[in-house]
Formats: sequence, C-alpha cells, structure tokens
Amino acid sequence: EVQLVESGGGLVQPGRSLRLSCAASGFTFDDYAMHWVRQAPGKGLEWVSGISWNSGSIGYADSVKGRFIISRDNAKNSLYLQMNSLRAEDTALYYCVRYSGYDLGSYYFDYWGQGTLVTVSS
Amino acid sequence: DIVMTQTPLSSPVTLGQPASISCRSSQTLVHSDGNTYLSWLQQRPGQPPRLLIYKISNRFSGVPDRFSGSGAGTDFTLKISRVEAEDVGVYYCMQVTQFPITFGQGTRLEIK
Repeated sequence: EVQLVESGGGLVQPGRSLRLSCAASGFTFDDYAMHWVRQAPGKGLEWVSGISWNSGSIGYADSVKGRFIISRDNAKNSLYLQMNSLRAEDTALYYCVRYSGYDLGSYYFDYWGQGTLVTVSS
Repeated sequence: DIVMTQTPLSSPVTLGQPASISCRSSQTLVHSDGNTYLSWLQQRPGQPPRLLIYKISNRFSGVPDRFSGSGAGTDFTLKISRVEAEDVGVYYCMQVTQFPITFGQGTRLEIK
C-alpha cells in the first residue's frame, strides 16, 4: 500500500524558515517523481514544486521560487521542502504527492499524503 | 500559465440523480506527444484529494464506474451517473500538459 506521511509543519513567524519532510513507503521511491501541493485554509489547490526521480529536474511555482528548495533522499525514501523567508500567504496545508512517472514530464498525481499544516504568523 | 475554469462552483444534486461538472482550459491541453493530461480529483470533507480520472477519461484504480470523464482540446466534463452520499465534496480538474501545473477553482457537490 502506498503511504506518504508528511511532517515538520507548525507555527512560524514571518521571515523564518521551516523544513517539511515526507516519508514514503509501499513503493519503490526512486522510480517516481514527487511533488508538493498546498491548500490554504478554505481555498483550492496550488502546485508548489516537483522533483524528478534522480533530482535532475526540479520545478517551482513563481510564488515560491527563490525561497523554497525541494530535495529528496532516495536512500531514506524521503522528500523534503526547505521553506525560507516565509510569508503569511504561505499558510497552508502542504501535501506530498506522488507523480505517476519518473521525470517532470506530463503524467498525473496518483497518491496524496494527509498533509502537514504550516501557519505563518507573528 | 494555463488557467482552468470550472462550472458550476456549487452543484446541489438529489441522491440517485446524475451530476455534471465542466472544466475549460485557457489553451489546448493536447501535449506534443498527442496525449491530453487532464485529470479530475475528488476531495471529501476533511480528506486529502484523491485521483478519480486521468488523461480525460481513464478511471483510476478503485474508482466506481459511475464516474466518467470526457472532452477534448479545451473543454472537459466529469459526470457522475447516479450520485451517492459518499460523493459529497469538492471536485477539481487539473492539467499537467504544461508547467506550471494548474488546478480549477473547485466545484462543491452537495446533496439537496
């Protein structure tokens, strides 16, 4: 069974940093690209970032480019999101999502974690 | 960026009756490889999104056959043949033909 478990969320002040983690199990992690998608409270879905199976291709939404860094450790079956210079508008539930392919080509999101909540407030 | 527009934003439906949600993209979703990477997601209250349909009309594993997708180019539709109570939630279309990946604003399905 595919499982994606996010952690690392919490309350953080504007301008500070936070690192999210996603522990994957139930599949061969390095066969798949992975993504982060966020959902602000009561709002819709926003793609944040994606990374190919070998970290060779990485993409970011314009809203986080230059502030967030996605990475993965295939030996640990883990995906990460380093979030720097956080803003109030980054407040959201952050989902770890498996891509159906190995690179950042066109596929689909097939499995989602439960999400971890990030709240940016003073 | 490709803008995805869903209609209606809210859909009250009677149990056992059909429901339909439309999704329109601001440009064609036909990829250079000939495929169209349009998916539909369901988000039940308090739950993460779940994949229902991919590449316009392919049902994902475990999705009931009362869900179906259709369309081409820039116009797509999700249909539920007979709505059940467990179908309550928000439905999103999304495209992966071109980065950045974008989502529709969501359609809330509720029971009358």
